[in-house]
Amino acid sequence: SQQGEEDPQALSIQEGENATMNCSYKTSINNLQWYRQNSGRGLVHLILIRSNEREKHSGRLRVTLDTSKKSSSLLITASRAADTASYFCATDINTGANNLFFGTGTRLTVIP
Amino acid sequence: GAGVSQSPSNKVTEKGKDVELRCDPISGHTALYWYRQRLGQGLEFLIYFQGNSAPDKSGLPSDRFSAERTGESVSTLTIQRTQQEDSAVYLCASSQIGTGLLSLHFGNGTRLTVT
Repeated sequence: SQQGEEDPQALSIQEGENATMNCSYKTSINNLQWYRQNSGRGLVHLILIRSNEREKHSGRLRVTLDTSKKSSSLLITASRAADTASYFCATDINTGANNLFFGTGTRLTVIP
Repeated sequence: GAGVSQSPSNKVTEKGKDVELRCDPISGHTALYWYRQRLGQGLEFLIYFQGNSAPDKSGLPSDRFSAERTGESVSTLTIQRTQQEDSAVYLCASSQIGTGLLSLHFGNGTRLTVT
């Protein structure tokens, strides 16, 4: 079964608003990553947060990690129409498998 | 090349035919992954290659699926006797293991349609 589950499945906001997506996972992790996928394209790595970190920023992106709740959130501030895409969390689980397990994704639509 | 390259970008095939999908990873990346993504769904792990180690085939859904990789270069994913349920986007990713943190670089995928 998939390791991560995102919610909401779909999110529609107005340009300029903030978008928050959540990810829950099941087992202990080395790190958690967020990827973006534009329609018809591959996934692009956005940001990685280690298991011993609680918050990380990159430009308009802010990621939090709560290992006690096995959850993460991705916040996109001041959204733009170009942020419209699907966003996936992926976990590098603590088995040495060198594999990432992806969630089901959140489809974000930013309305201009 | 600059990124992961997959070919063909689109493939339409008749049920029962065999198909072969190709992936050229980023030069120097020792790890290569295949994922399947059904319409509107997340990524389903299929197979993982790391250097000369035995591949992790734990995600292959049936014995109709197989994959090969020669050294640290091109990989091919073969689906035999295709079924309509095989219709999906097949994504390849590569990574440089050993840098401490794993992040994947994806190709744009092959969209497979089985009619």
